[in-house]
Amino acid sequence: NAGVTQTPKFRILKIGQSMTLQCTQDMNHNYMYWYRQDPGMGLKLIYYSVGAGITDKGEVPNGYNVSRSTTEDFPLRLELAAPSQTSVYFCASSYSSLGRRETQYFGPGTRLLVL
Amino acid sequence: DQQVKQNSPSLSVQEGRISILNCDYTNSMFDYFLWYKKYPAEGPTFLISISSIKDKNEDGRFTVFLNKSAKHLSLHIVPSQPGDSAVYFCAASDRGGSEKLVFGKGMKLTVNP
Repeated sequence: NAGVTQTPKFRILKIGQSMTLQCTQDMNHNYMYWYRQDPGMGLKLIYYSVGAGITDKGEVPNGYNVSRSTTEDFPLRLELAAPSQTSVYFCASSYSSLGRRETQYFGPGTRLLVL
Repeated sequence: DQQVKQNSPSLSVQEGRISILNCDYTNSMFDYFLWYKKYPAEGPTFLISISSIKDKNEDGRFTVFLNKSAKHLSLHIVPSQPGDSAVYFCAASDRGGSEKLVFGKGMKLTVNP
């Protein structure tokens, strides 16, 4: 198992450009998440999905969009990049069912710099 | 308003001694607590968790204590090893929140040889 993989590892964007951060998991997890981590801060939830076709906003969703067409993939879309979106982005996944709590497994992160 | 607080940004201990990392929370709906470890340029990795029905959970050198009345949890690492040097995040979730995690800001632990 590769676990949670993210591409790219690092990207520089100009203000106003758009890009998609890719996330794939091979653990057949039903839940997937996107977090961002700013310097000196904890991780903040951007969007999450409880299954294919179902997504919902987290704490900091503005400026981002997501889709979940398959169990494995959960891409994060930035439409108009702004300097405030300079951050490290982490994708995570977990398996959740009634009465059972499972931990979240994280990808290695994508470092994004918006200039 | 921070719901999960790690008030000390860093801790330095000698190899072989005990490391104690603290975490406070404000949301009484939280019922599941986790500690993650993070090395530079890597994603967080799960370390240990505790449910609110317990007050202690052990896994090898790592023990997490939960004091629900004080809304406080702590992670004990005994004995500390240089490889434990990393940033440690406390996180919490509530059952009704789709397993969403709320993270603290993290604490950098340095274990000196």
